[in-house]
Amino acid sequence: QVTLKESGPGILQPSQTLSLTCSFSGFSLSTSGMGVGWIRQPSGKGLEWLAHIWWDDDKRYNPALKSRLTISKDTSSNQVFLKIASVDTADTATYYCARIGELGRWFAYWGQGTLVTVSA
Amino acid sequence: DIVLTQSPASLAVSLGQRATISCRASKSVSTSGYSYMHWYQQKPGQPPKLLIYLASNLESGVPARFSGSGSGTDFTLNIHPVEEEDAATYYCQHSRELLTFGSGTKLEIK
Repeated sequence: QVTLKESGPGILQPSQTLSLTCSFSGFSLSTSGMGVGWIRQPSGKGLEWLAHIWWDDDKRYNPALKSRLTISKDTSSNQVFLKIASVDTADTATYYCARIGELGRWFAYWGQGTLVTVSA
Repeated sequence: DIVLTQSPASLAVSLGQRATISCRASKSVSTSGYSYMHWYQQKPGQPPKLLIYLASNLESGVPARFSGSGSGTDFTLNIHPVEEEDAATYYCQHSRELLTFGSGTKLEIK
């Protein structure tokens, strides 16, 4: 059974760095073709893909946010991390992690999301 | 970057009728015999749920009243017959190059 769970700080201040963790089970990032991505959704708005990381440590970023994003993984602990630098109120959103496959790059399994609020 | 335009932004369909949602890409998302377009359903307070992958393949466990079609730049999600539980927002997503989601279509059941 594939599960993913996001965790984050809940609230942080503008200009700080947001650190998110995705803890997953039911698959391994040492498996060829496997990946984990991050997607966010401001309240009442649409979905925005942020980044994903592959089993071989290849990484892809949303060009609009690339300068502020860093994705990484710890294969042995089944975790993927996302850092967003210099946050502002526009980064307030629910952040989801999801499993992605190399074959077609769709998100078949999602976590429940973690709400992050950026506020002074 | 490939931009996805979904239409309509919202629609209301009577129970048992057909709902049709369109997703148009700014350039072709089809190559090598595959169309890299996928569809998700999202209900309030829940994460998105995959419905259709590679334009027309039904995800396991998704009811057969959902179907996807299209190639190149024009794709369609059909729901027929619509049921009460289908009230949700639907998103398309391409994976031809980097990833992008459409803006969403909110479906109301009359």
